[in-house]
Amino acid sequence: QKEVEQDPGPLSVPEGAIVSLNCTYSNSAFQYFMWYRQYSRKGPELLMYTYSSGNKEDGRFTAQVDKSSKYISLFIRDSQPSDSATYLCAMSVMNRDDKIIFGKGTRLHILP
Amino acid sequence: EAQVTQNPRYLITVTGKKLTVTCSQNMNHEYMSWYRQDPGLGLRQIYYSMNVEVTDKGDVPEGYKVSRKEKRNFPLILESPSPNQTSLYFCASSSIHTKNYGYTFGSGTRLTVV
Repeated sequence: QKEVEQDPGPLSVPEGAIVSLNCTYSNSAFQYFMWYRQYSRKGPELLMYTYSSGNKEDGRFTAQVDKSSKYISLFIRDSQPSDSATYLCAMSVMNRDDKIIFGKGTRLHILP
Repeated sequence: EAQVTQNPRYLITVTGKKLTVTCSQNMNHEYMSWYRQDPGLGLRQIYYSMNVEVTDKGDVPEGYKVSRKEKRNFPLILESPSPNQTSLYFCASSSIHTKNYGYTFGSGTRLTVV
């Protein structure tokens, strides 16, 4: 079983819809959970991060972590064409110096 | 502007011809890392550095070298490139306080080895 699994998509949704992006993981030691956004021909940029379990909201974006199910989600409300990008989940173990594990990314298309 | 700068953005080279991809950050970050991104394989770490003169292997270090002689620079060296090193490369940096989650990435270097 891979450490982090993420559906590659593509996922196409109409503008204004709620988008749900998800990742599962196998390593129960993960404590930091991140979502990075990557536009075409650009490097990934940190969108949100969560420490341990729970929800975190930032504008139209909500990140959820369910450690009991080893499942994380990113919700985008009122999706816009500018949200079209690849979204990578990522995870790490606290105090480890060497590694953030990235999912392979989900390509998202918001249709005008 | 706080940023990670990679050069070149695009590079086509021939098998066996040594090349260096430069990476520089202006945020005084301690941590720097190199990744390659391939379709279906995602981002994989090549090498990382926790500070000047401190480097270590990531998941796919074979065929690559790095050095960290100055805090701001972390060049990636391919001594004898091969076609299987054709990929999109990213340099990233982080402060010691955000090393577990907050990396800033460069815009990438697309390398083609023929």
